[in-house]
Amino acid sequence: GDSVTQMEGPVTLSEEAFLTINCTYTATGYPSLFWYVQYPGEGLQLLLKATKADDKGSNKGFEATYRKETTSFHLEKGSVQVSDSAVYFCALSDPPNKYIFGTGTRLKVLA
Amino acid sequence: GAVVSQHPSWVICKSGTSVKIECRSLDFQATTMFWYRQFPKQSLMLMATSNEGSKATYEQGVEKDKFLINHASLTLSTLTVTSAHPEDSSFYICSARDHAGTGRPEEQYFGPGTRLTVT
Repeated sequence: GDSVTQMEGPVTLSEEAFLTINCTYTATGYPSLFWYVQYPGEGLQLLLKATKADDKGSNKGFEATYRKETTSFHLEKGSVQVSDSAVYFCALSDPPNKYIFGTGTRLKVLA
Repeated sequence: GAVVSQHPSWVICKSGTSVKIECRSLDFQATTMFWYRQFPKQSLMLMATSNEGSKATYEQGVEKDKFLINHASLTLSTLTVTSAHPEDSSFYICSARDHAGTGRPEEQYFGPGTRLTVT
């Protein structure tokens, strides 16, 4: 069946460091791909999405590109801030409304 | 933006008792709500999909008599864990789909989760 694998955390970075959180997927169809973020005490919030191969999703300085050839959707940010500390979930949707999530990666950014 | 709340955020109950978790869409109507479960260091797993006014659809392997879901209104769904046991201890998250949306998958809004501990 479909699955999502993302790197285990926690990831600890200094402020202004470059961030990469790896995510790979397996799917039989043509899924949409998502990154969600969960801040402490809050629900998952959609961070960015991509619906087809080579699409790049971006939001708040975060980017991820849908790579069909490597079945990947890695999350990147050029310069992280303390306020980016959260848990990040990679997910796919196939069929629509049925999400499959990765295990989540906790990011801690130190001032 | 669309907000989903859950109550309680944290609950401890004794083995053999039942506990109810509420999921509310605060500023939109949700004909469909989803219940997920997350074990430590594991993925969110979809348990069931509930549609307002009809029976919930459970994922394979989820006991419907143990996890009772009621979606009696467009803004409220409840999950009742019946005769809870320590292995039911987990983090339960709900999400709600905006009734007025276009049907895109990202129009699901998530609650903050409820941590259940069964002693």
